[in-house]
Amino acid sequence: QSGLTQPASVSGSPGQSITISCTGTSSDVGGYDYVSWYQQHPGKAPKVIIYDVTNRPSGVSNRFSASKSGNTASLTISGLQADDEADYYCESFAGGVYVFGTGTKVTVL
Amino acid sequence: EVQVAQSGAELKNPAESLEISCQGSGDDFANYWIGWVRQVPGKGLEWMAIIYFRNSETKYSPSFQGQVTISADKSIGTAYLQWRRLKASDTAMYYCATTRDGNFRWDFWGQGTLVTVSS
Repeated sequence: QSGLTQPASVSGSPGQSITISCTGTSSDVGGYDYVSWYQQHPGKAPKVIIYDVTNRPSGVSNRFSASKSGNTASLTISGLQADDEADYYCESFAGGVYVFGTGTKVTVL
Repeated sequence: EVQVAQSGAELKNPAESLEISCQGSGDDFANYWIGWVRQVPGKGLEWMAIIYFRNSETKYSPSFQGQVTISADKSIGTAYLQWRRLKASDTAMYYCATTRDGNFRWDFWGQGTLVTVSS
């Protein structure tokens, strides 16, 4: 499998909303409702912020929301805050294995 | 609370072998999957392989099939990643992650093991 396609970078001002796309194929994103999103701050391990396309783990801010249409999943961060500056990766189940997206660097201006 | 602890940083020469480990605690890991993720410095995350503790079923990402070996000892809740002959291109941070069977996200992550391969 190739990595899922994400924009390399997205930026926004504090308080704004941004959306990150994640495009795969019918063998991964489009074939299963098992898309997750991970946030990774520099030097830290990834942290799951969305699972099963739209669900937030306990403790994750409701400013993070996500959806999927066809082979493309999307993550929206609303009310952008300084601490949201990080790398974000989508991930999809692909029939036994998993595949990550290429990653998106979010910059808070 | 489930926690995952990885073995320490490694500095190896090319062609040497290596095994790194990842131990879970805080639950009965018989019903958990555990996997390894590579992150080359400055690059993205890549899934390598996963293993089911209960029966040692393994799944490898195509890019890593034949390059590494994943194994596990369920009696001590520990998974391993092994290389027979390291290459400079194996230099990376390696994370392990674990989740209960039936979940399709990786809830618990180790702190990472930095592997540097250099002569």
